[in-house]
Amino acid sequence: RKEVEQDPGPFNVPEGATVAFNCTYSNSASQSFFWYRQDCRKEPKLLMSVYSSGNEDGRFTAQLNRASQYISLLIRDSKLSDSATYLCVVIPGGTSYGKLTFGQGTILTVHP
Amino acid sequence: DGGITQSPKYLFRKEGQNVTLSCEQNLNHDAMYWYRQDPGQGLRLIYYSQIVNDFQKGDIAEGYSVSREKKESFPLTVTSAQKNPTAFYLCASSIIGGGGQETQYFGPGTRLLVL
Repeated sequence: RKEVEQDPGPFNVPEGATVAFNCTYSNSASQSFFWYRQDCRKEPKLLMSVYSSGNEDGRFTAQLNRASQYISLLIRDSKLSDSATYLCVVIPGGTSYGKLTFGQGTILTVHP
Repeated sequence: DGGITQSPKYLFRKEGQNVTLSCEQNLNHDAMYWYRQDPGQGLRLIYYSQIVNDFQKGDIAEGYSVSREKKESFPLTVTSAQKNPTAFYLCASSIIGGGGQETQYFGPGTRLLVL
């Protein structure tokens, strides 16, 4: 089983739609979780950290379910500019710096 | 402007040749990292460094070497021993001291192609 798994998609949704991605992780001691966004042929950029209590930033909501070992990202009112690859990132438990573990990414395409 | 720069943007390597990818940051970050990304895959850690003159192997260090002589610089050499070097190489940096939750910021990347 991979340490971090994502549905690669692609997800094709119309503008204004709500779309959700899930990401599962295998190490139950994992301590930190993030969603990064990567545009085509560009570097990943931090979208948001994921906290135990869940967090929201505008149209984006991230949640963590430790019991089932998954994190989710919800995008409401999708915009064309949301088209990108969304990377789930986990810092496994018991590791030190530099040990980010990346999922393979979920491709989102928002169409008019 | 503070940030991370990588050069060159594109790099071509001939068989048996060593090539060096540059990474510079002026964010005053202690830690720096090198990742490799292949199409349709997540990033994989090659090497990382938490302090000057010290670095550790990541998950796929074979065929690569690094140095950290200055805080702001962390060059990566792709040696001839790396048999499948074609990939997108990303450098990142972060602070240290946040209890393991330090955000990593990425440079724009270097695409390495084998001729």
